Amino acid sequence: AQTVTQSQPEMSVQEAETVTLSCTYDTSESDYYLFWYKQPPSRQMILVIRQEAYKQQNATENRFSVNFQKAAKSFSLKISDSQLGDAAMYFCAYRSYGSGNTGKLIFGQGTTLQVKP
Amino acid sequence: KAGVTQTPRYLIKTRGQQVTLSCSPISGHRSVSWYQQTPGQGLQFLFEYFSETQRNKGNFPGRFSGRQFSNSRSEMNVSTLELGDSALYLCASSFVSGIAYEQYFGPGTRLTVT
Repeated sequence: AQTVTQSQPEMSVQEAETVTLSCTYDTSESDYYLFWYKQPPSRQMILVIRQEAYKQQNATENRFSVNFQKAAKSFSLKISDSQLGDAAMYFCAYRSYGSGNTGKLIFGQGTTLQVKP
Repeated sequence: KAGVTQTPRYLIKTRGQQVTLSCSPISGHRSVSWYQQTPGQGLQFLFEYFSETQRNKGNFPGRFSGRQFSNSRSEMNVSTLELGDSALYLCASSFVSGIAYEQYFGPGTRLTVT
């Protein structure tokens, strides 16, 4: 069975600085997707960034980028130029590739990010 | 395009009762997944429906059930409620199931069991 681990329950960053959130996962599959979701206090889950395991290039979305190390099963999220609106809980998630498991996301425990003005 | 909507947003029930939660996906989305979020267990997958068929099911007791209608709207039902069922229930919809797609989450239904 696949597992996702986020070892940092809480992180804080100064506004405009850079922060990296860690995520490791365990799987025997070779094809899968990895995601970072953001859940602000409003509780609405928002997709931040997606990475396909078969792609070597790290995904980037504006100020958000990932460091995907497939062999190490590591998938960290870097937030550059942190803004107050980035304060939220961040979840790392795994999804198998292919039919049968497509809708099932396996989430890590989450990391609460505090942004200090 | 309207986002995923869930009703009701808040619900208080008594132990032993049953409850039905509703999820309306984004127009055109045919896949709906349900998740339970609690402080202790985190986010856990309940089940996924695609074209009115359950495609995948998480490790929850049979008290948890769901269905999907022809318009892709989905409901989940919890019978014989227990205190531990208190949680935020999230549904997520996606355009296509089986290949690369992204899931869009609703705001959730906060269920409190007393």
